[in-house]
Parts: sequence; structure tokens; C-alpha cells
Amino acid sequence: DQQVKQNSPSLSVQEGRISILNCDYTNSMFDYFLWYKKYPAEGPTFLISISSIKDKNEDGRFTVFLNKSAKHLSLHIVPSQPGDSAVYFCAASEIGDYKLSFGAGTTVTVRA
Amino acid sequence: ETGVTQSPTHLIKTRGQQVTLRCSSQSGHNTVSWYQQALGQGPQFIFQYYREEENGRGNFPPRFSGLQFPNYSSELNVNALELDDSALYLCASSLVSGTQETQYFGPGTRLLVL
Repeated sequence: DQQVKQNSPSLSVQEGRISILNCDYTNSMFDYFLWYKKYPAEGPTFLISISSIKDKNEDGRFTVFLNKSAKHLSLHIVPSQPGDSAVYFCAASEIGDYKLSFGAGTTVTVRA
Repeated sequence: ETGVTQSPTHLIKTRGQQVTLRCSSQSGHNTVSWYQQALGQGPQFIFQYYREEENGRGNFPPRFSGLQFPNYSSELNVNALELDDSALYLCASSLVSGTQETQYFGPGTRLLVL
């Protein structure tokens, strides 16, 4: 049973524009959410996280928004750069449980 | 660079064989988790070790087992390999101190079972 869903398998965006990646979850016990970026032949790299007590967290070009009532989070990348081309995974964990549940990933391609 | 390393990078085995994958956690991290990532999917949680004890397990059969050592290294053992075990195996380490902690991943071991 997939508790974290990324419904868009791919996203193509022009360099300099905004990339918006979406993630939905079904488990109301999730209280910590993370985004990871993965290049081919490498492991996932932590990008940004958000706790359920917040609705927004910003780190440089990356902002994560959390809508708990809709069980939805999104990652905004502004401005998008060619080096952002990668697979992005949304992940979540429950209170007191450190196991991560991942979505299937969204492949982002940034066009010059 | 996360400080988490894995070996080997690639491995080919035949059905029925056994395999041991290794991970060296980031120094000071007391928790290691293992994940299986099949092609086109997100990583799936196998199990987690905290201070050398199994601390949680996903929906994987007992032929998947692990060990964690005091020197921050760990192993994932898979017995009686099946074709569906072909995947990227990732380990992740973190420092658990009572709050949510971020897991840092190694580059993975790609296992092919023929």
C-alpha cells in the first residue's frame, strides 16, 4: 500500500523558471517530511525537510510547503538550474518511527 | 558527500545464492537503515538497527537479515536469492536523539540476480 504518492513521473522546466513538485500522502500519523534528490549512480541526497508543526520551510532556492488538511506537500525550486536535473523523492515518517516511506519519484529536466 | 560508503558497488549473483552487502555509516551515527530500490520505484524500507539491535522491520521475509557493529559498519545479508531481489540496495545512517533526524544515504550497491 503506497502511503506516499508522487503522481507526476516527470517534469520539464526551462532554466530560470520555477519547478513545482507535488506529493500526496495517506497516513495521518506522518509528522516529518523530507525531499531527496538523486542523480544516476548515486544515493539520494537530502535536500530539505519540514515538520508537521510548520507549513513552510525555506532553504535558499528550495521551499517546501505542507498542507496537512489536504495531506499534500510541494517543493518549489526557484530559479531552476541545469544542475537541478535529477530524480526527486518525497519521503515521510511517523512520530517516534524513523523509517522513511518514499514516493516513486519525479524526474526533473531543466532545459537551457 | 554524506560520509556513508557502501561496498561493493555492483554485484552479480545467481538464484539461490547468498549475498552480503556492507555499509560504513557516518562517524557518530548510531542508527543505520537499509532500503531496497527497484527500478522505477522509490526506496522500500527493509529494516533499521539502533545500537546494534534491530529496531524495526518492513515487509521483507526473514531471509533478509542484518548486523550492525560498534565501529559504525553494518551488513545486509540475503539468503536464497530470488530474481526479484535484483535492485539497488541503499543504506542510510542517522543520529537518533529523541527527535526526528535526517537519514543520510550511501551510493548504494546494485545487485543483479540471474
